[in-house]
Amino acid sequence: ETGVTQTPRHLVMGMTNKKSLKCEQHLGHNAMYWYKQSAKKPLELMFVYNFKEQTENNSVPSRFSPECPNSSHLFLHLHTLQPEDSALYLCATRLESSYNSPLHFGNGTRLTVT
Amino acid sequence: TQLLEQSPQFLSIQEGENLTVYCNSSSVFSSLQWYRQEPGEGPVLLVTVVTGGEVKKLKRLTFQFGDARKDSSLHITAAQPGDTGLYLCAGDAGGTSYGKLTFGQGTILTVHP
Repeated sequence: ETGVTQTPRHLVMGMTNKKSLKCEQHLGHNAMYWYKQSAKKPLELMFVYNFKEQTENNSVPSRFSPECPNSSHLFLHLHTLQPEDSALYLCATRLESSYNSPLHFGNGTRLTVT
Repeated sequence: TQLLEQSPQFLSIQEGENLTVYCNSSSVFSSLQWYRQEPGEGPVLLVTVVTGGEVKKLKRLTFQFGDARKDSSLHITAAQPGDTGLYLCAGDAGGTSYGKLTFGQGTILTVHP
């Protein structure tokens, strides 16, 4: 139990589908992140939310749309994805006010786009 | 753009051997973190190093931050099958980039019994 829960764990979707990834945290952290993990590539930061406000969009295509309705929940809405978007999507949280505080990751959603 | 070069990418060793993983950059980091990730799980923090030249030990794992805060190493003594996993280094540039970690490509370690 990491304190950060991601659902679903696995998702297979077609290129015309619309789906959403969910992240829920019970750690009282105030910053939430979406990362993309692909084989043989470093973890790529996608979006950052601080106190529910989006503070970073790391040049992510518009087919990925994040939403942070409150400090405990983070969503990643997906539509018209491409096969190269297949990857492990990791949610992470952090206590922003604590110096050098680490990221706490969920176990990820393994996404396959067919 | 800051880059962290992590090496080796793959490491396959026998139980009881020693190993070192390296993380190098041309950029200075205010701190550097090491994570370990097991299949089907997210990365979990092992250690954070902050001061140039700092050495931290976690049982059989020794972490070192370079004097110039541009590189780091992870040394495992007498590796065990339970050490198998993906090891990731991540640097925090600090300043306006504080909290936005740059990750290395990772080292996949397999320890055979």
